[in-house]
Amino acid sequence: AQSVTQLDSHVSVSEGTPVLLRCNYSSSYSPSLFWYVQHPNKGLQLLLKYTSAATLVKGINGFEAEFKKSETSFHLTKPSAHMSDAAEYFCVVSDGDSWGKFQFGAGTQVVVTP
Amino acid sequence: EAQVTQNPRYLITVTGKKLTVTCSQNMNHEYMSWYRQDPGLGLRQIYYSMNVEVTDKGDVPEGYKVSRKEKRNFPLILESPSPNQTSLYFCASSGTSGSLSEQYFGPGTRLTVT
Repeated sequence: AQSVTQLDSHVSVSEGTPVLLRCNYSSSYSPSLFWYVQHPNKGLQLLLKYTSAATLVKGINGFEAEFKKSETSFHLTKPSAHMSDAAEYFCVVSDGDSWGKFQFGAGTQVVVTP
Repeated sequence: EAQVTQNPRYLITVTGKKLTVTCSQNMNHEYMSWYRQDPGLGLRQIYYSMNVEVTDKGDVPEGYKVSRKEKRNFPLILESPSPNQTSLYFCASSGTSGSLSEQYFGPGTRLTVT
């Protein structure tokens, strides 16, 4: 069985400061993990994915995430927030033995203040 | 342009009136999936399809039907819509089984059932 928990429903950061979005997962098999971003009134776009290669994954727009198996976490970070980072972010898990099934977290709304 | 299209984008209907939301992709993807997005719940998977004539239930299939007669199309059918199916619906496609690959999302269909 697979599940994912995003630990913060809202995160507010100042422009130029670091961003941390927290995600914990549960998986009975080797998971694939993803972060997607949804800008207002838009579809979803992939930021990055982990598929059992390097544990530190780099994505688009300066985002990166680290897979920590011992902590069952896949937190998303960015060193310096930009106004365009204001959006909703979703952590997604897929079990290695549940081909085609995906579990989304409830989402984290990011607000960036000038 | 590679894309996933959904029609209609907005739909208001009444309880019990059958409706179909179409989804089409032009990327020759094998995998397609339907999700619904509700505030505070993230995206929940309704049905997915690994290939033509192969479909399977996601986490919330009740009240929905799908078919996959052609590779490019994956319509979502609500035989007798109810108000609790008011939601934002997304179709997605992927080039492989989906568990390891990026999903490409359509723009969404906002459905209101009165």
